[in-house]
Amino acid sequence: DQQVKQNSPSLSVQEGRISILNCDYTNSMFDYFLWYKKYPAEGPTFLISISSIKDKNEDGRFTVFLNKSAKHLSLHIVPSQPGDSAVYFCAASDGRTGNQFYFGTGTSLTVIP
Amino acid sequence: DAGVIQSPRHEVTEMGQEVTLRCKPISGHNSLFWYRQTMMRGLELLIYFNNNVPIDDSGMPEDRFSAKMPNASFSTLKIQPSEPRDSAVYFCASSFGTGTGELFFGEGSRLTVL
Repeated sequence: DQQVKQNSPSLSVQEGRISILNCDYTNSMFDYFLWYKKYPAEGPTFLISISSIKDKNEDGRFTVFLNKSAKHLSLHIVPSQPGDSAVYFCAASDGRTGNQFYFGTGTSLTVIP
Repeated sequence: DAGVIQSPRHEVTEMGQEVTLRCKPISGHNSLFWYRQTMMRGLELLIYFNNNVPIDDSGMPEDRFSAKMPNASFSTLKIQPSEPRDSAVYFCASSFGTGTGELFFGEGSRLTVL
């Protein structure tokens, strides 16, 4: 059963606008969340993370928001750039039981110039 | 420092053949993961090792799949016999830490079983 869900397989955004990618999880024990970015024919690369003790983490154009009560997190990219076009994976782990990461199915972002 | 190294990058084989995928994790990392990427399930964890010991192999789909980590610098994922539904991209990743360590992925091995 999928413990991490990304319900939007794809998203298109105009360059310069905000991109919002969403992720939901079912396991309330998850306490660490990450976003990975993947270009075609490459492995996923780490983008940004957030611990459950926070509700927001910002790194340049990228901000991740965590809503623990809703078991929901989102990635905001502002402003979006054509180079951001990639597949974005959300991942979660329960650090107390080990370093097993559960990934969503990914959202393919296209930033239109 | 070199990243996670996987081989082969591409493998085309016929149904029933044995397939072996290889991975060299980043030196010093103590955890190694094998993932399979499919459209339906995204990045699906197959198995992970901690300090060369298999910790959770519940994601291994069938007995046809097996994985080994004979030492800290090498792991294999074997499929025997292979089937067309095994066609996917297989990623190896490594990390250092206990659940908050960043995962570093290899470039993947694209397997096609005819």
